[in-house]
Amino acid sequence: EDKVVQSPLSLVVHEGDTVTLNCSYEVTNFRSLLWYKQEKKAPTFLFMLTSSGIEKKSGRLSSILDKKELSSILNITATQTGDSAIYLCAVERGSQGNLIFGKGTKLSVKP
Amino acid sequence: EAEVAQSPRYKITEKSQAVAFWCDPISGHATLYWYRQILGQGPELLVQFQDESVVDDSQLPKDRFSAERLKGVDSTLKIQPAELGDSAMYLCASSPQPGGVYEQYFGPGTRLTVT
Repeated sequence: EDKVVQSPLSLVVHEGDTVTLNCSYEVTNFRSLLWYKQEKKAPTFLFMLTSSGIEKKSGRLSSILDKKELSSILNITATQTGDSAIYLCAVERGSQGNLIFGKGTKLSVKP
Repeated sequence: EAEVAQSPRYKITEKSQAVAFWCDPISGHATLYWYRQILGQGPELLVQFQDESVVDDSQLPKDRFSAERLKGVDSTLKIQPAELGDSAMYLCASSPQPGGVYEQYFGPGTRLTVT
C-alpha cells in the first residue's frame, strides 16, 4: 500500500532557528513530490520536486529530493512566527496525477 | 489571481440528512479533485475528474457519496445520508492537466460538522 510518512509530527522552535522537516515515501509509479503549507485554510503550494539531488529554493525555504532514499527534506532558515503552519508532503503517482499526502508536520514558531 | 471557489465555507447538518458542496475550479483547468481532510490528517483523495469524466473514484464511499461535473466546469459533491464520521474539511483542487508538470491549486474548503 502506498504511503507517505512525515516526521516529526509536531515541532516547536523559536524565531531565528533553522528547522528541517522530513518526508519519506513508498509509492508505486512515482512522478513527483510536492510540499504544501497549510494555515487555517487550504494548502498553498511551495515546491514540486521531480529530479533527485536538485535543490529548490524560495527565500528562506528550500527543499531537496533523494530518490535513492525515497525521501525529501524541507528546510526553513531564520524562522519567523509567520512560518507557523502545518507543512504537508504529497507524492504524485501514476499518469493521473493524484496525490497521496502525509499527515503533516505542525510547526510552531515562538517569538 | 484566479482562485478555486467553494461553497458553502461551513456546513452543520444532522446525521441522516443530505448535504452538498460546490466547487468552481480555475478557468481552463481540465482536472478537478475532491479531497477529504480529517482533523490531524493529510487530505485524502475522494474523486478525480478529467473534464466531465471520472478518472479515479476508488476511495469514494459510493453507498453515500456522489460527485458530478456535468459540463466539465464546476462540480458538486453530495453526501446522503450524512454520518458522524463524515465531519471533516472537504477540499476541492484543480490543475490544468493531470500529472507531472502542474501543481494542484486548492480552494478554501468546506468544513462539515455532522451532529
